[in-house]
Amino acid sequence: QQQVKQSPQSLIVQKGGISIINCAYENTAFDYFPWYQQFPGKGPALLIAIRPDVSEKKEGRFTISFNKSAKQFSLHIMDSQPGDSATYFCAASMASGSRLTFGEGTQLTVNP
Amino acid sequence: NAGVTQTPKFRILKIGQSMTLQCTQDMNHNYMYWYRQDPGMGLKLIYYSVGAGITDKGEVPNGYNVSRSTTEDFPLRLELAAPSQTSVYFCASSYFAGALEETQYFGPGTRLLVL
Repeated sequence: QQQVKQSPQSLIVQKGGISIINCAYENTAFDYFPWYQQFPGKGPALLIAIRPDVSEKKEGRFTISFNKSAKQFSLHIMDSQPGDSATYFCAASMASGSRLTFGEGTQLTVNP
Repeated sequence: NAGVTQTPKFRILKIGQSMTLQCTQDMNHNYMYWYRQDPGMGLKLIYYSVGAGITDKGEVPNGYNVSRSTTEDFPLRLELAAPSQTSVYFCASSYFAGALEETQYFGPGTRLLVL
């Protein structure tokens, strides 16, 4: 019940295309859903996050869509660029604490 | 402001050896974490600490120990290294004051190979 399932494991997109990464969770107590971006040889860094009281959050080319009834959320990268090539992790945490449960990660490659 | 620093960057251990992975943060964060990252498995929480002198187990604590004597430092100890501990280890820190949207800041990682 603590798991966060992420798909796909890897994704290849052409420059200018849309990248979509999906996550699903079981625990309805999760109340905060961040996405972390990790470049090769670096630690993950917070990219964007959402609370379940909104269905969508947009920051530049990055958008989180949230479906509370389906217990799913997704990251959309518009106009994908080669510099977006990285591993993306979705995560979730509960209001009662700050421990994050991470998804398995998606390795995104954007071809020029 | 260096953020979260980890040493060493890379280490090869023989089975049964011991070592300590060092982690230091200079952001005065109260929470600190140790994760391991294996291919296709995401980040698994090993141990975490909510303040100096307070530590707790995460999802995969077996084979590891931690201590937190100061706010800044959170070392991870491997006592009897096993090949299953071959992984990339990340330390992270955050300032948690009851607000939900706290950001975890990660170090650059330590790559450990146990042979």
